[in-house]
Amino acid sequence: SYELTQPPSVSVSPGQTARITCSGDALPKQYAYWYQQKPGQAPVLVIYKDSERPSGIPERFSGSSSGTTVTLTISGVQAEDEADYYCQSADSSGTVVFGGGTKLTVL
Amino acid sequence: QVQLQESGPGLVKPSQTLSLTCTVSGGSISSGGYYWSWIRQHPGKGLEWIGYIYYSGSTYYNPSLKSRVTISVDTSKNQFSLKLSSVTAADTAVYYCARHHSSPEPGYFDYWGQGTLVTVSS
Repeated sequence: SYELTQPPSVSVSPGQTARITCSGDALPKQYAYWYQQKPGQAPVLVIYKDSERPSGIPERFSGSSSGTTVTLTISGVQAEDEADYYCQSADSSGTVVFGGGTKLTVL
Repeated sequence: QVQLQESGPGLVKPSQTLSLTCTVSGGSISSGGYYWSWIRQHPGKGLEWIGYIYYSGSTYYNPSLKSRVTISVDTSKNQFSLKLSSVTAADTAVYYCARHHSSPEPGYFDYWGQGTLVTVSS
């Protein structure tokens, strides 16, 4: 079955830039989306269509795509950004797939 | 502001059927333009999409669960429901309902319920 691969964890100090990658063979043909999930809460969409930011999401969140990898970048990381981040896309048949998630730790 | 709320039993016995309902407020399922999805998250694990329904009743299920899943819609109550049959302990998870923005494909989830924990145990 199709998989989206994310690093299990990323750690950064406050004010630095965090980059979380997501790799999948179908990503050149399918949009990717990113969600932030804090403990005990439902996920929140932070990036859609590879690089679009929903209203209400801080400008420090951005997304990019290159070949089979998409990247979520958080510039000037703040303590409140500590959370799990999930990428989402689909396989060739349109079945929605999520990445395994990346735990962002703000040191 | 669209809001979604899951409801249903928090404990289900093995081999039985898990049944959950999602009530939508602040928007009409019948207005179209969106799918309505179920997603689950095993304890301490990642997210798994279960399937979606359109207001017309058309559905699409994750092939990995297709044989056990039924999603239905009641537009008069602005609700959609999930049934998962023959459950085992592996179906213990937090179940979320979500509005599935359908375009462009594959779509994305812009509003989520708070989630409800369903435990499968005798």
